[in-house]
Amino acid sequence: KQEVTQIPAALSVPEGENLVLNCSFTDSAIYNLQWFRQDPGKGLTSLLLIQSSQREQTSGRLNASLDKSSGRSTLYIAASQPGDSATYLCAVIDYKLSFGAGTTVTVRA
Amino acid sequence: DAGVIQSPRHEVTEMGQEVTLRCKPISGHNSLFWYRQTMMRGLELLIYFNNNVPIDDSGMPEDRFSAKMPNASFSTLKIQPSEPRDSAVYFCASSLGYQPYNEQFFGPGTRLTVL
Repeated sequence: KQEVTQIPAALSVPEGENLVLNCSFTDSAIYNLQWFRQDPGKGLTSLLLIQSSQREQTSGRLNASLDKSSGRSTLYIAASQPGDSATYLCAVIDYKLSFGAGTTVTVRA
Repeated sequence: DAGVIQSPRHEVTEMGQEVTLRCKPISGHNSLFWYRQTMMRGLELLIYFNNNVPIDDSGMPEDRFSAKMPNASFSTLKIQPSEPRDSAVYFCASSLGYQPYNEQFFGPGTRLTVL
């Protein structure tokens, strides 16, 4: 059974600092990995999808890397802003989505 | 595009009552997924459909839960009878394609409270 772990569980940084969010998974036989953002009481917003053949994916200030062999993905958010405060979830896709518990980010103004 | 639409957004019911949650996927998407989110267990896949056919329902907790997809634009998740431990946020998601590993787009969720 796929186990997905996200560390740290919570993170608080001052505005402008770069964010580094980690995701690890136990079974490297995955198709894709997807990063989501969830605001309190809201649904999930897809941020990035990294296919298993890719090493990284970029969208604006967001960059996600994938190392299948070591079972790791990292989401980088450059120059954080208070609006980046949310919970970030990674989901590993083998034949279904398996989610980590998320990292709750607070960006202080 | 309106995105994935779920109704109701909030549901409060009493133990033993039947609850029906509804989902309209993004037009043109072939696959539909039902998830449940709780503090204790996080996000869990309950069931997924491809071309209106249930493919994997191994996540459905027990026989009290049932899901249908009568056509490409509508799905329901029913709980009968409901219990307090069913209280959670239920999400519907859809994706384009025939495999669950395509990018999934989530609805806003239905917050269910069973008293």
